[in-house]
Amino acid sequence: DAKTTQPPSMDCAEGRAANLPCNHSTISGNEYVYWYRQIHSQGPQYIIHGLKNNETNEMASLIITEDRKSSTLILPHATLRDTAVYYCIVRAYGQNFVFGPGTRLSVLP
Amino acid sequence: GAGVSQTPSNKVTEKGKYVELRCDPISGHTALYWYRQSLGQGPEFLIYFQGTGAADDSGLPNDRFFAVRPEGSVSTLKIQRTERGDSAVYLCASSLRGQMNTEAFFGQGTRLTVV
Repeated sequence: DAKTTQPPSMDCAEGRAANLPCNHSTISGNEYVYWYRQIHSQGPQYIIHGLKNNETNEMASLIITEDRKSSTLILPHATLRDTAVYYCIVRAYGQNFVFGPGTRLSVLP
Repeated sequence: GAGVSQTPSNKVTEKGKYVELRCDPISGHTALYWYRQSLGQGPEFLIYFQGTGAADDSGLPNDRFFAVRPEGSVSTLKIQRTERGDSAVYLCASSLRGQMNTEAFFGQGTRLTVV
């Protein structure tokens, strides 16, 4: 079973920041938080991951709370092409990636 | 190629037939994963290889499903006596070994339809 809880769906206006929450209250000290997204009919696409520090790359920012029980993925300027299902996963080294149902993000014009 | 390659992209087979699905991981990636995804659901884990050996095959649903990776690179997922319920997109992913926090990269999947 997935160790994360995400809202089933969210809307965001084009050009605005999309903030996708994830709860992982049972996360262990050696587990990382990963985010993937899946655009219709494509394989999952890696976005970002982190352990306890906030992370930023060209796609997104990942904010992890100090107690590590939750995190937020931020798409700073959402575009229509960011419409996808976003998956939050916690994983330790050597484990497989366990996907939950994710959050369906709709970016609206 | 630069990414994970899966062939065929689509496969239609009759109930009861045997099928093989192929995955070419990213060069140098020693970890390889198979997932399957039904419509409207997240990917479901099947099996995970480190090198040639299956490190975790707990997701294989029954003994009709089998996967091999004889040389630690290309992997084949084999399904015997296919059933209509096996219809799904089968996804493969690969990642580097030896790094604590490595990400996995997915292929585009093989859509299997059992009629």
